[in-house]
Amino acid sequence: EAGVTQFPSHSVIEKGQTVTLRCDPISGHDNLYWYRRVMGKEIKFLLHFVKESKQDESGMPNNRFLAERTGGTYSTLKVQPAELEDSGVYFCASSLPQNKETQYFGPGTRLLVL
Amino acid sequence: AQTVTQSQPEMSVQEAETVTLSCTYDTSESDYYLFWYKQPPSRQMILVIRQEAYKQQNATENRFSVNFQKAAKSFSLKISDSQLGDAAMYFCAYRSPPFYGGATNKLIFGTGTLLAVQP
Repeated sequence: EAGVTQFPSHSVIEKGQTVTLRCDPISGHDNLYWYRRVMGKEIKFLLHFVKESKQDESGMPNNRFLAERTGGTYSTLKVQPAELEDSGVYFCASSLPQNKETQYFGPGTRLLVL
Repeated sequence: AQTVTQSQPEMSVQEAETVTLSCTYDTSESDYYLFWYKQPPSRQMILVIRQEAYKQQNATENRFSVNFQKAAKSFSLKISDSQLGDAAMYFCAYRSPPFYGGATNKLIFGTGTLLAVQP
């Protein structure tokens, strides 16, 4: 069974540009999460989808970040316009519908904003 | 708000030896989950071990075990018979208990400990 996949693996953009990250969860996983790790710091929660609905978006830093999960399958996270402080590794995770289930992580997208 | 602290940015261990990674957390909740995740270089993060706070028995998974001290809010990871493949960044994480109605299951992470294994 395929794990969580993320695309692209790396992205280098200039300040002010737009970047869209994609996450494909494990099939059957209704829960999808986005996290971010800024260099040297802890991994921080961004938001949580249950199917196509945003369950918790309390971690989204500002309105330059837009997450979608149309149809309840894959999700995209768009940063527009990107700022220098957006650089970091963006992780996606998914889990089964039951609340107790373990979150399985993707390999992450490394974003560098110059 | 809950916090997780990993006070060891880097650790090193000789192959076949034992190493302990420390993690402390702060919470006012009585029930919760604790996790250790491992991220090898350029590879994705995988779950190493999970502990449910209401269970007094320490979780074990083969060479990996935890020392869970609820009163002290401590959750250390012990790796026995260390292998080269154990070299990775290790993250400690906390999660609040699930509530009916779909409260968030977000993980709260520490800053990680980079473990090197010397041959």
